Amino acid sequence: GQSLEQPSEVTAVEGAIVQINCTYQTSGFYGLSWYQQHDGGAPTFLSYNALDGLEETGRFSSFLSRSDSYGYLLLQELQMKDSASYFCAANTDKLIFGTGTRLQVFP
Amino acid sequence: DGGITQSPKYLFRKEGQNVTLSCEQNLNHDAMYWYRQDPGQGLRLIYYSQIVNDFQKGDIAEGYSVSREKKESFPLTVTSAQKNPTAFYLCATTGEVYTEAFFGQGTRLTVV
Repeated sequence: GQSLEQPSEVTAVEGAIVQINCTYQTSGFYGLSWYQQHDGGAPTFLSYNALDGLEETGRFSSFLSRSDSYGYLLLQELQMKDSASYFCAANTDKLIFGTGTRLQVFP
Repeated sequence: DGGITQSPKYLFRKEGQNVTLSCEQNLNHDAMYWYRQDPGQGLRLIYYSQIVNDFQKGDIAEGYSVSREKKESFPLTVTSAQKNPTAFYLCATTGEVYTEAFFGQGTRLTVV
């Protein structure tokens, strides 16, 4: 079957850097995307990697290695508002989401 | 404004009843998806549709049904066969290149 695994929880302090990993097992893979979801809300798109390497968007960066079936989301200069759940998703002929990582940022 | 509208925001269902959740989009996107999210869990794919009059089962389709008669609309029916329907339901769309998904605000369904 198709699956994406992430750590269930990560904690960090304001101003720190945190990395959220994602390993995937899918068929017909186009790319890996990342979403943020605050409690009670809908997921919002953060980034997408179609090719190997690092994509930077402000404080957030995302990395993909197709050969390792692995990607990560890097969050820098953490702020309290970054406390949320983060999901990786495999773009195939459908969109399959990972198990999700809950990030808690402490002052 | 372009976007996805899900309704209602909250829905209460009695056991044994069918209920239909609405999802409408004006983004002119071909692909539409329904996901179920349980508290503290990830998004599980129920059904998806890549084109009008065609749809496929996702990982947890049992007890659900969909239709795609119009490009703009992808309603989800939760049937009485779904034994544990209480959850947060999210509708999403993607454009041609399947890069970014846009989500509705979700429907929170509770069985009473």
